[in-house]
Amino acid sequence: DIQMTQSPSSVSASVGDRVTITCRASQDISSWLTWYQQKPGKAPKLLIYAASALQGGVPSRFSGSGSGTEFTLTISSLQPEDFATYYCHQGNSFPFTFGPGTKVD
Amino acid sequence: EVQLEESGGHLVQPGRSLRLSCVASGFKFGDFAMHWVRQGPEKGLEWVAGIGWDSGSLGYADSVKGRFTISRDNAKNSLYLQMKSLRPEDTAFYFCTKDINVGVLPPAVRGFDAWGQGTLVTVSS
Repeated sequence: DIQMTQSPSSVSASVGDRVTITCRASQDISSWLTWYQQKPGKAPKLLIYAASALQGGVPSRFSGSGSGTEFTLTISSLQPEDFATYYCHQGNSFPFTFGPGTKVD
Repeated sequence: EVQLEESGGHLVQPGRSLRLSCVASGFKFGDFAMHWVRQGPEKGLEWVAGIGWDSGSLGYADSVKGRFTISRDNAKNSLYLQMKSLRPEDTAFYFCTKDINVGVLPPAVRGFDAWGQGTLVTVSS
């Protein structure tokens, strides 16, 4: 199985900060990487698919990059509504696996 | 508006069975792959199972393979998860999710762009 890791596990940031989250896969997953945002008590929300494609309706301050085994999610200027937990997810091979999450607070 | 509504979760004893259902609306259900994703109490997300648009392709997490069965009925816009031999570690909120892809076989672009609110399964004696 492909193991997904994320760093940092949590990050303290302020409104207006640039925030970068890293996701690493235990083997090459090409660009089959997705990012989700989850707020407490809510279902996750799709942000980015195929490593860098922005889902419709998602603000342009969110961006994704990377391929192979290392990927990043960047929030260019953190907004109050962005405080949440972020998960990466690989779709390269069964079983699909999520990273452990990064909490932005 | 895309909506997914899960049902069927409740308290069940270890070793027993349970069937979850998800009814979809607001999109052409039969055109997309569907998945179940779960989240234990204060834990992260775990993909459980996925099924292609025509039920021709399936996939399962190692932790549920052989115990859980995913299925769908496109005529009823419904997704199901039959769970057998339940264990305490299966305790979680179970989310029904819609894929942006028609199929579930990897490697392929993957994105769960709609989620239900989840149904809680508690496995305890």
